Amino acid sequence: AQSVAQPEDQVNVAEGNPLTVKCTYSVSGNPYLFWYVQYPNRGLQFLLKYITGDNLVKGSYGFEAEFNKSQTSFHLKKPSALVSDSALYFCAVNRAAGNKLTFGGGTRVLVKP
Amino acid sequence: EPEVTQTPSHQVTQMGQEVILRCVPISNHLYFYWYRQILGQKVEFLVSFYNNEISEKSEIFDDQFSVERPDGSNFTLKIRSTKLEDSAMYFCASRLGTGQRTDTQYFGPGTRLTVL
Repeated sequence: AQSVAQPEDQVNVAEGNPLTVKCTYSVSGNPYLFWYVQYPNRGLQFLLKYITGDNLVKGSYGFEAEFNKSQTSFHLKKPSALVSDSALYFCAVNRAAGNKLTFGGGTRVLVKP
Repeated sequence: EPEVTQTPSHQVTQMGQEVILRCVPISNHLYFYWYRQILGQKVEFLVSFYNNEISEKSEIFDDQFSVERPDGSNFTLKIRSTKLEDSAMYFCASRLGTGQRTDTQYFGPGTRLTVL
């Protein structure tokens, strides 16, 4: 079985400050890890993924995520948050060559001016 | 940039009625998916479809649900007799392949289904 935990329902950050959204996972075998973002009344937009290679993955809109195998974590980060980053963020896991994505519960990010 | 599209954006139906949710995946993608998100809950996998057949389905995907790729572009989810608990946002997704560069699932904007 595979599972994802996002321990924070909401993260508040001031514009210009660093943003971190936490994610831990459980999966048998090698994990494929993904971050998606959902803006109001929109679908899930792909941000970035970790498949293999460098533990630090860079994605869209200045976001990056760090894969930590020993801590089974894949935290999303952005050095300087923008008000427009306010949205719902989902972490998801798939086992290597697997099929279905398993999502975390989502973390709402609110960036205040 | 190619994207997954879904129609309608909002569907209201009476309990017991049949509904068909439609999706147009990205044109050269080979793997297709349906997920749903009940309000306030996690996004849940329903079914995956490849080579004109279901490759995996969840416990949610019972005999009331079916999927079809009726032509080269559409991918549909049918719920035969809707229940109140089927009210949710339904997301379609597609994926190009299974390699490292092609393993990303791209999602449509969703169809909000409301069963009264």
